[in-house]
Amino acid sequence: SQQGEEDPQALSIQEGENATMNCSYKTSINNLQWYRQNSGRGLVHLILIRSNEREKHSGRLRVTLDTSKKSSSLLITASRAADTASYFCATVPFNNDMRFGAGTRLTVKP
Amino acid sequence: GAVVSQHPSWVICKSGTSVKIECRSLDFQATTMFWYRQFPKQSLMLMATSNEGSKATYEQGVEKDKFLINHASLTLSTLTVTSAHPEDSSFYICSARDIAGGPVPFGPGTRLTVL
Repeated sequence: SQQGEEDPQALSIQEGENATMNCSYKTSINNLQWYRQNSGRGLVHLILIRSNEREKHSGRLRVTLDTSKKSSSLLITASRAADTASYFCATVPFNNDMRFGAGTRLTVKP
Repeated sequence: GAVVSQHPSWVICKSGTSVKIECRSLDFQATTMFWYRQFPKQSLMLMATSNEGSKATYEQGVEKDKFLINHASLTLSTLTVTSAHPEDSSFYICSARDIAGGPVPFGPGTRLTVL
């Protein structure tokens, strides 16, 4: 079964705008990871945030984690057309199997 | 970094045949490998967790007799879809847990089409 929910399910923005995606989950976690997937392709790991961390940055990506609310957000700043993809959060509980949210399909229009 | 490969990358087969998909950890030892299935426009669903040298643990609703998993070595796990049917057509992705921990590498996926 999937671990969590993501919203929005789909997001369409103009190039240069920021994109924010949210992920909620149900059980306690060891860490949470965000992945990107281009249509019909494999997964690309973006960022990992541990349960004792609140925020992490990587280039144009900013991830937050609120374990009290069991939620995380992924912010992509200054989006580009090449950022068009599906984005998934994946939670890793302490038994270590990874489960994915439903994903957000991001479209960045040039 | 840790790399996981899958073979084949795509396969087309007739209904009723069996298909084997290989998942290899290339530069690390993976005591645990995970198999996921992804239908079009949907997320990845965990099918089973495969531990080296022991029986796989299947998620609820996944038929263990239909999806045979073998994890005979620390670098190889195989998923065999037995008597495949068109509804088994999907994208199958494996991942492997690096003993060192951290980001879990995923294979590139195998697209199975059953005619």
